[in-house]
Amino acid sequence: AQRVTQPEKLLSVFKGAPVELKCNYSYSGSPELFWYVQYSRQRLQLLLRHISRESIKGFTADLNKGETSFHLKKPFAQEEDSAMYYCALLNTDKLIFGTGTRLQVFP
Amino acid sequence: ETGVTQTPRHLVMGMTNKKSLKCEQHLGHNAMYWYKQSAKKPLELMFVYSLEERVENNSVPSRFSPECPNSSHLFLHLHTLQPEDSALYLCASSRGHPSGSYEQYFGPGTRLTVT
Repeated sequence: AQRVTQPEKLLSVFKGAPVELKCNYSYSGSPELFWYVQYSRQRLQLLLRHISRESIKGFTADLNKGETSFHLKKPFAQEEDSAMYYCALLNTDKLIFGTGTRLQVFP
Repeated sequence: ETGVTQTPRHLVMGMTNKKSLKCEQHLGHNAMYWYKQSAKKPLELMFVYSLEERVENNSVPSRFSPECPNSSHLFLHLHTLQPEDSALYLCASSRGHPSGSYEQYFGPGTRLTVT
């Protein structure tokens, strides 16, 4: 079955530390993956998608088909990165979301 | 107002009530979605409308009834709900469908409590 797993509910780091938010997926075809973010008191919004191979707000995510992972990384976390992060997988034509990881960046 | 709006933001209803959730998008999009977000569970897609036609019904109980009168408005009619239906209901829209081809823009959600 198609599934997205985000094993960490909460990740706490200090400002300037590297961040890696884990995402693993289960999918039989060629996956299309996304990261969505929800900042405090704001709505859920797209952060990045793997097909774009882009870096947004210093975040990158590489698709690793061997490990079926799409971890979100940032070398130096900022306080404004504190938010809820959701990994999502495109299954046929609908998005399957993980349960989310809350990132807390302390000053 | 720009973006995707949802009303009401909070709703408390009894199991015998009938209520409706409203979503409006001001982005000129052609596809709209209803999601359910329960505590400790992933976001679950409920319904998809593309060009005002329902293209996805994700095994949702019939006590949830969607309506899309035009490409800007989406409703979710609720009747005889159960306490386990208490959740955050999110509306989203995108330029088109399928969902992965176009970024989805989310509304702020309606927090529903069924008593």
